[in-house]
Amino acid sequence: QVHLVESGGGLVRPGGSLRLSCTASGFSFSDYYMAWVRQIPGRGLEWVLYISMSATTTYYADSVKGRFTVSRDNAKKSLFLEMKNLRSDDTAVYYCAKGDEWGNFYFDHWGQGTRVTVS
Amino acid sequence: DMVLTQSPGTLSLSPGERATLSCRASQRLGSTSLAWYQQRPGQAPRLLIYDASRRATGIPDRFSGSASGTDFNLTISRLEPEDFAVYYCQQYCCSPLGTFGQGTTLEIK
Repeated sequence: QVHLVESGGGLVRPGGSLRLSCTASGFSFSDYYMAWVRQIPGRGLEWVLYISMSATTTYYADSVKGRFTVSRDNAKKSLFLEMKNLRSDDTAVYYCAKGDEWGNFYFDHWGQGTRVTVS
Repeated sequence: DMVLTQSPGTLSLSPGERATLSCRASQRLGSTSLAWYQQRPGQAPRLLIYDASRRATGIPDRFSGSASGTDFNLTISRLEPEDFAVYYCQQYCCSPLGTFGQGTTLEIK
């Protein structure tokens, strides 16, 4: 059974930094694209970052380019999101999501999310 | 840029009824690269449909997806109490990749 668990969220000042982690289990982590998707409270979903199986390819939403960095450790079945120069509009629940083997931008499993508040 | 517009914003129906949710793309997708998700209150989104009409693993067959040009529909044939939630469509063909619609709230009448 696929299981994704995010951690690292919290309250941070504008301009501050935060590192989110996602630990995966129940599937062959190194065989799948992974993503971070966020949801602003009471609003819709925004895909943020997407990383290929071997981390050779990454995609960033324009809203986070230059500030956020995604990485992964396949040996530890973990996905990371390094966030710098945080702004109030980065306040959201951040979900770790599992992609497919071919890089299609849809996500068949999601974690429960970790809340980031920039204030 | 590709924009997805979902309608209606809110749909009020009763259990047992049929629900049809719409997602319109601002351009032809050129493929069937569209997914549907369900999000219940306090929960993460759950993939229902991908490639416009393929049900994800474990999704009941009362959920179905269809496509016609730039119009995509999610149909729930007979509503169960647990189906009342917010539904999002997402396209994955065109720039900007991975964009979501704004959501449709399916509420109990």
